[in-house]
Amino acid sequence: DTGVSQNPRHKITKRGQNVTFRCDPISEHNRLYWYRQTLGQGPEFLTYFQNEAQLEKSRLLSDRFSAERPKGSFSTLEIQRTEQGDSAMYLCASSSGTEIDTQYFGPGTRLTVL
Amino acid sequence: GDSVTQMEGPVTLSEEAFLTINCTYTATGYPSPFWYVQYPGEGLQLLLKATKADDKGSNKGFEATYRKETTSFHLEKGSVQVSDSAVYFCALSESQRGNKLVFGAGTILRVKS
Repeated sequence: DTGVSQNPRHKITKRGQNVTFRCDPISEHNRLYWYRQTLGQGPEFLTYFQNEAQLEKSRLLSDRFSAERPKGSFSTLEIQRTEQGDSAMYLCASSSGTEIDTQYFGPGTRLTVL
Repeated sequence: GDSVTQMEGPVTLSEEAFLTINCTYTATGYPSPFWYVQYPGEGLQLLLKATKADDKGSNKGFEATYRKETTSFHLEKGSVQVSDSAVYFCALSESQRGNKLVFGAGTILRVKS
């Protein structure tokens, strides 16, 4: 069990550019969650998948954001036409079918939009 | 929607002092409460959890009891160490809502030697 991994760990981009983040959950975990954390705040839910199905999206997830989990394993989060307000830590978490309420978090991807 | 309120920090204690971080919540269903911890430069780690009323979660000397009547899940430790310095987050999960977590704003704990 190697834990949840996220890549890249840091991303600096210019306003208007597109960025994509990847999350690899713990093996065999069928649920995968994305959260966003800004400085001094707790994480906020963005979206989650059960296997490959995206079951819920937060109102925080504008139409510039899209997430996929094509084969029910890793997931990607893409932000199009980035804005300075998108600067945050993007966290991924996963949970198993047997311990569905317990989420294990990755180290996060810190996005800075200049 | 559900919400979590934590006591504001930073909380500064001397080593071996008693720690309490208050957490209260509002929820419409039957939530499960959690405490997560974020050490400097590291990701969120699960500290402890409870699944039903009056459950006590415990780990690494930390304890929290799930009190439905007061909608609270206060974190306590009898004797803190410098290594406990971190940010502590109280969170709720609801099975009817996909178990997504709702977090409080976090409480910074600083322990001085």
